[in-house]
Amino acid sequence: GAVVSQHPSRVICKSGTSVKIECRSLDFQATTMFWYRQFPKKSLMLMATSNEGSKATYEQGVEKDKFLINHASLTLSTLTVTSAHPEDSSFYICSARDGGEIGNEQFFGPGTRLTVL
Amino acid sequence: GENVEQHPSTLSVQEGDSAVIKCTYSDSASNYFPWYKQELGKRPQLIIDIRSNVGEKKDQRIAVTLNKTAKHFSLHITETQPEDSAVYFCAATYTGANSKLTFGKGITLSVRP
Repeated sequence: GAVVSQHPSRVICKSGTSVKIECRSLDFQATTMFWYRQFPKKSLMLMATSNEGSKATYEQGVEKDKFLINHASLTLSTLTVTSAHPEDSSFYICSARDGGEIGNEQFFGPGTRLTVL
Repeated sequence: GENVEQHPSTLSVQEGDSAVIKCTYSDSASNYFPWYKQELGKRPQLIIDIRSNVGEKKDQRIAVTLNKTAKHFSLHITETQPEDSAVYFCAATYTGANSKLTFGKGITLSVRP
């Protein structure tokens, strides 16, 4: 299957700082990438959908000014958590989809565990 | 929008037995149904998927069945092994550029050795 990487895998930051998470599709061009948030023992909660070269589409209740998403190329999307607070601590996972022959298959990154002190 | 229900939340089976996990969906337009396995602290991994033009798909010990009329699909794992212990998520979506997966809440499968 296709490979998606995510960096960093773990980050600890102080309250009020910003954190950037990168999501890369390594062996295919991802026209669409997705950002999820996952709480312990819970399902994946979609935060936003990003398409290369256009603005991200945020799910209801997700603050776009808080969670900045940039999909500048077909292999890279970034999520920036601005002015992070302890309640932003979570497991953030990206996924990428190739709209070609793979169709609707989504391939997930390994996740980033964010801890805000 | 789509709503995917997954029950129960936990399932425990004896090693070697079969496990069946069932999901229901609400949107008749959905035509793609993947299953993901997630081990603790790891990424969800696609283990099998099915499209609405078939009723069943099998891959070694894993199979998925789809009943479009009843709007439910099930994951079947035969000859379970301890390494099958994980959280399993079902999802549903439709084919299209703006489609997005709707996930069930997940089920924790425990295989007792």
